[in-house]
Amino acid sequence: NAGVTQTPKFRVLKTGQSMTLLCAQDMNHEYMYWYRQDPGMGLRLIHYSVGEGTTAKGEVPDGYNVSRLKKQNFLLGLESAAPSQTSVYFCASSYSRGDVQETQYFGPGTRLLVL
Amino acid sequence: AQKITQTQPGMFVQEKEAVTLDCTYDTSDPSYGLFWYKQPSSGEMIFLIYQGSYDQQNATEGRYSLNFQKARKSANLVISASQLGDSAMYFCAMREASGNTPLVFGKGTRLSVIA
Repeated sequence: NAGVTQTPKFRVLKTGQSMTLLCAQDMNHEYMYWYRQDPGMGLRLIHYSVGEGTTAKGEVPDGYNVSRLKKQNFLLGLESAAPSQTSVYFCASSYSRGDVQETQYFGPGTRLLVL
Repeated sequence: AQKITQTQPGMFVQEKEAVTLDCTYDTSDPSYGLFWYKQPSSGEMIFLIYQGSYDQQNATEGRYSLNFQKARKSANLVISASQLGDSAMYFCAMREASGNTPLVFGKGTRLSVIA
């Protein structure tokens, strides 16, 4: 049981390049999330998904796209990377029983540097 | 409006002493959950403790306890008998019951434990 995994762990991009971050979970969770973490800003929600084939915008969605083609995977795409997207990206997942106490389980993070 | 406020960017505590990390929140939803996560220098997000809005007693998990004051909308984390390994970033987060929303995080408090 690997929990939540993220690929890659670290990446350097040039401005304007594109890339996809992959998140995978083996806990059969319905909900998945992408956050970014910047110094002094905490974790901010980019996009999330409440089930296979559905996505929703979070607090800071601009410049990112997501897809949830399979229940266990949640992809975060950067079509044209900008230096402002330099950050640490965290994926998380949780069950969906409508309970407030559902804990979100986090992946190890992906460090992205955009030059 | 900021939903989670952590007013202490950094805290120092002597080893074996207790420390309180502050968290205030803002919601009009009567049903909500409050969470604390620890992020050590290695980067992973570790769930520590949960408090539900209807819970009558303050949550405790080992050396961690949550001082929940509903009327003041505060959910402070108390760490007893601090250890060097407690040095980390600590994040307070909240989930509101309506719409099974994702966790919203505060900006975090960096705790440093001094020998």
